[in-house]
Amino acid sequence: DSGVTQTPKHLITATGQRVTLRCSPRSGDLSVYWYQQSLDQGLQFLIQYYNGEERAKGNILERFSAQQFPDLHSELNLSSLELGDSALYFCASSPRVGQHYEQYFGPGTRLTVT
Amino acid sequence: SQQGEEDPQALSIQEGENATMNCSYKTSINNLQWYRQNSGRGLVHLILIRSNEREKHSGRLRVTLDTSKKSSSLLITASRAADTASYFCATDAGGAQKLVFGQGTRLTINP
Repeated sequence: DSGVTQTPKHLITATGQRVTLRCSPRSGDLSVYWYQQSLDQGLQFLIQYYNGEERAKGNILERFSAQQFPDLHSELNLSSLELGDSALYFCASSPRVGQHYEQYFGPGTRLTVT
Repeated sequence: SQQGEEDPQALSIQEGENATMNCSYKTSINNLQWYRQNSGRGLVHLILIRSNEREKHSGRLRVTLDTSKKSSSLLITASRAADTASYFCATDAGGAQKLVFGQGTRLTINP
């Protein structure tokens, strides 16, 4: 158990809908990262927050957005969902921002868009 | 595009044998990390090696890093059935906090 929690574990929804994925980092970790894992794209970095502020952005679609709240939990919002958004979404956390901190991954949310 | 590329894509060995996986990357890095993922589950951090280190050990794991060749290898000695998983290398893409993952090596340990 990494100490990172994600809810829900599974989510099935229809195209065009909007969903919110939630992540609670390890106690004391200030940095949160979101990743998407799909069969065709592999593991892709989406976005990072540190202590409530956006720090780095990857190949995140404009239909996706995220935020980190004062209690450090984070939410990833996916809107106007398409079939291709079906994937595993992982959240990870690390203590601080820096070059040599490992990231601790949550169990993931499996999103299925039908 | 992926920064790291693992080789081989799949590896099947007998329990007790050693397993070696390789990773190549394209740009300069500050560190390289190896993660394990059991089927459809979260990633587990295995080891981090800094760019100024050449070799690192953790239990049955041995990681090497050759920055001149932009490559790393992960050796698992005396493999066990529980080692069956996908193994990913990840780099910090030259200073950014984001991790860039390879496609992974799927390791199967046969009893």
